[in-house]
Amino acid sequence: DAGITQSPRHKVTETGTPVTLRCHQTENHRYMYWYRQDPGHGLRLIHYSYGVKDTDKGEVSDGYSVSRSKTEDFLLTLESATSSQTSVYFCAISDYPGTGIYEQYFGPGTRLTVT
Amino acid sequence: AQTVTQSQPEMSVQEAETVTLSCTYDTSESNYYLFWYKQPPSRQMILVIRQEAYKQQNATENRFSVNFQKAAKSFSLKISDSQLGDTAMYFCALVSQGGSEKLVFGKGTKLTVNP
Repeated sequence: DAGITQSPRHKVTETGTPVTLRCHQTENHRYMYWYRQDPGHGLRLIHYSYGVKDTDKGEVSDGYSVSRSKTEDFLLTLESATSSQTSVYFCAISDYPGTGIYEQYFGPGTRLTVT
Repeated sequence: AQTVTQSQPEMSVQEAETVTLSCTYDTSESNYYLFWYKQPPSRQMILVIRQEAYKQQNATENRFSVNFQKAAKSFSLKISDSQLGDTAMYFCALVSQGGSEKLVFGKGTKLTVNP
């Protein structure tokens, strides 16, 4: 299994509070991604990073920010959590075209509940 | 814009039988990859099979095979000799090469294998 960890694995927070989720990889892969998974929507891309300090928005980026100060860490921040951000959050990594084969490897997910 | 459509929200199959999950997609790119991911109740995203668009031969991985119809933009997954452990959500996904390497997912098909 690819070395990807997410922390925390579960979190309950109140509306209006800031929340930061962490993704850590030991694979030295260039690309890192944050997705959210909701029933009936599959996985949707929030933000991604193509290198240290290089990030871009995905499909559902409103209300989220990210930072990547080191190759191995990609942080997702909810500045002021809302109930609509209750979801399961997945981090993923890839190293294409470095490996020549495209594949994204996923972390175990973080279940976030905003009350 | 790229889209992936899975028209079967739920399916069921008897153990040892064969089942086919449907996926259609749309992209204007000529170079792309297609994937099927499995998500069991553990929530871990597991790559089942990968297909490069430039390859005419359909990919196979043990009991899993695809029917890739490029002109029709169709990418179905066939599971032979279904096992109880195949019970999971299955997601079809697409990524185009040369861009930001962003995966686009379908909404998923929930497959139940009955004993």
